[in-house]
Amino acid sequence: AQRVTQPEKLLSVFKGAPVELKCNYSYSGSPELFWYVQYSRQRLQLLLRHISRESIKGFTADLNKGETSFHLKKPFAQEEDSAMYYCALFNFGNEKLTFGTGTRLTIIP
Amino acid sequence: DTGVSQDPRHKITKRGQNVTFRCDPISEHNRLYWYRQTLGQGPEFLTYFQNEAQLEKSRLLSDRFSAERPKGSFSTLEIQRTEQGDSAMYLCASSLSGHRSYEQYFGPGTRLTVT
Repeated sequence: AQRVTQPEKLLSVFKGAPVELKCNYSYSGSPELFWYVQYSRQRLQLLLRHISRESIKGFTADLNKGETSFHLKKPFAQEEDSAMYYCALFNFGNEKLTFGTGTRLTIIP
Repeated sequence: DTGVSQDPRHKITKRGQNVTFRCDPISEHNRLYWYRQTLGQGPEFLTYFQNEAQLEKSRLLSDRFSAERPKGSFSTLEIQRTEQGDSAMYLCASSLSGHRSYEQYFGPGTRLTVT
């Protein structure tokens, strides 16, 4: 069974401070991990995926298979980063996307 | 707007009534997914279609739930004999099949309240 854990429901960070949203997963196969974001009054959207190793809106995430983690990081938080963030794992076998419970990030001006 | 659309956006119904939701995916997407999201939880997978074929169903999808995608375009999700526990946000998403199937585009959701 696949599972995604986001231990923090709420996270508040001052503007300009570093941000780290934690994500841990359990999966027997080779994981494909993603971060989705939902801004206020907007729909859920893909932020980034580990396989592309890209930086989107200053965010990066590194897959650590040893620690089974996929934490989302940004060196300097901006007010527009306030949103709900979901970590998700995709199983190519059954085509299921499994989401964590989400972390609400609030950037304090 | 060429994104995924869902109708209605809100539905209030009495326990025991039947409800039906509609999802229109992005036109070139052949995959369509339904999720349910309750308060404080992430979206939970319910079912998905590739074209008109329903390929996977979660055990969350009880016998009271049925989903269709008759022509491989829009999809409907019906809940019969609604219960208070069915109150949730129902999300639809679409994608292309193949190596990009994980890149799902979500609709705004239908919020169901069962009284």
